[in-house]
Amino acid sequence: DTEVTQTPKHLVMGMTNKKSLKCEQHMGHRAMYWYKQKAKKPPELMFVYSYEKLSINESVPSRFSPECPNSSLLNLHLHALQPEDSALYLCASSHAGLAGGPFEQYFGPGTRLTVT
Amino acid sequence: AQKITQTQPGMFVQEKEAVTLDCTYDTSDQSYGLFWYKQPSSGEMIFLIYQGSYDEQNATEGRYSLNFQKARKSANLVISASQLGDSAMYFCAMSPAYSGAGSYQLTFGKGTKLSVIP
Repeated sequence: DTEVTQTPKHLVMGMTNKKSLKCEQHMGHRAMYWYKQKAKKPPELMFVYSYEKLSINESVPSRFSPECPNSSLLNLHLHALQPEDSALYLCASSHAGLAGGPFEQYFGPGTRLTVT
Repeated sequence: AQKITQTQPGMFVQEKEAVTLDCTYDTSDQSYGLFWYKQPSSGEMIFLIYQGSYDEQNATEGRYSLNFQKARKSANLVISASQLGDSAMYFCAMSPAYSGAGSYQLTFGKGTKLSVIP
């Protein structure tokens, strides 16, 4: 099963709201990723968790807060977002390890976020 | 640092014909991997095919094949017998083969939008 699930599929939020995006995988992957993708652009890496520890934070504003409660789940907490944060947010997972890679990433269907 | 270049913003192909999507790359890594992903208008990124830098044979997966020319630093995707469902954005990506953190960061190209004409 190469499925990564994401909820919700669509989200509209005001600039003062707090919301969370959720991602789940049951492939036994120990690396999980958050990407932001604007229309007609490639995905931009935001955060990477490796073995449930944050390993990469690509200088993302603090209004985005990631969390990895266990090896299957990845959350992205959103607070005080700006209209320019409207985008498709993609979660991905892959095998992890210091060698034997690289490993292909499997992506979820994404959450389309609109900030009003 | 790694860089991926896709020079074709858009491509058209007749149904049942073959099409080649171009990808060139630049890296200082000795060992790396190259990936192709398909993104339909629904948004999900679908993994298509992988080529390791030390693989001697070109990768194939069904109707997809990767034309890997290491000396030219190119990794073109060939889709045979195009279908209407192949209409999508296609991204070429690469990653080093070793990771200090255990995860493998992808560098993406800008993508090529493929349209299949009936």
